[in-house]
Amino acid sequence: DVKVTQSSRYLVKRTGEKVFLECVQDMDHENMFWYRQDPGLGLRLIYFSYDVKMKEKGDIPEGYSVSREKKERFSLILESASTNQTSMYLCASSSSVLTGGFGYTFGSGTRLTVV
Amino acid sequence: AQRVTQPEKLLSVFKGAPVELKCNYSYSGSPELFWYVQYSRQRLQLLLRHISRESIKGFTADLNKGETSFHLKKPFAQEEDSAMYYCALDNYGQNFVFGPGTRLSVLP
Repeated sequence: DVKVTQSSRYLVKRTGEKVFLECVQDMDHENMFWYRQDPGLGLRLIYFSYDVKMKEKGDIPEGYSVSREKKERFSLILESASTNQTSMYLCASSSSVLTGGFGYTFGSGTRLTVV
Repeated sequence: AQRVTQPEKLLSVFKGAPVELKCNYSYSGSPELFWYVQYSRQRLQLLLRHISRESIKGFTADLNKGETSFHLKKPFAQEEDSAMYYCALDNYGQNFVFGPGTRLSVLP
């Protein structure tokens, strides 16, 4: 019963490529999030969205953009991939604008390597 | 600024020993805190949340506002508890701020 699906488990891209990471949730959640996970740094928020066509910058948005055309889908875009964007990318969703008490449901992650 | 710290990158204990994973936070207001766990090759999942005052898989965590801490404890560690543990803070209902994580290794 997978609820948050990230389209790719592993990706290898070249420097300068435009990269799309897709995330789909089937729980009718309003909120969706993109984090990157790096050893020693934990999870850092890139972008999040409260509703269709809405987006908010997180702590490290530089070099990234997002798209949310449908409620269930939240895409992360690397405009011009660089080697420092090599990381594990995690998508998450939650059921309320007020996340407190409900927590996130995470996808299984996409490990992106930029060469 | 809202911040979560986990001072130990790696914690190794023997099976049956008590374990405590430390978490401290900085936050203006009434905090809501969570522990997430990631087992090998599995997705990150919610372990417990302080508002529920629950015990999951033998783990408990108490919010200490005076010490701004939310340490995760278990009296008798099991090998299957080996995983990466993240402490997280609800950031004014907008998103979560995560700590850097602690890798727990339970030795046989």
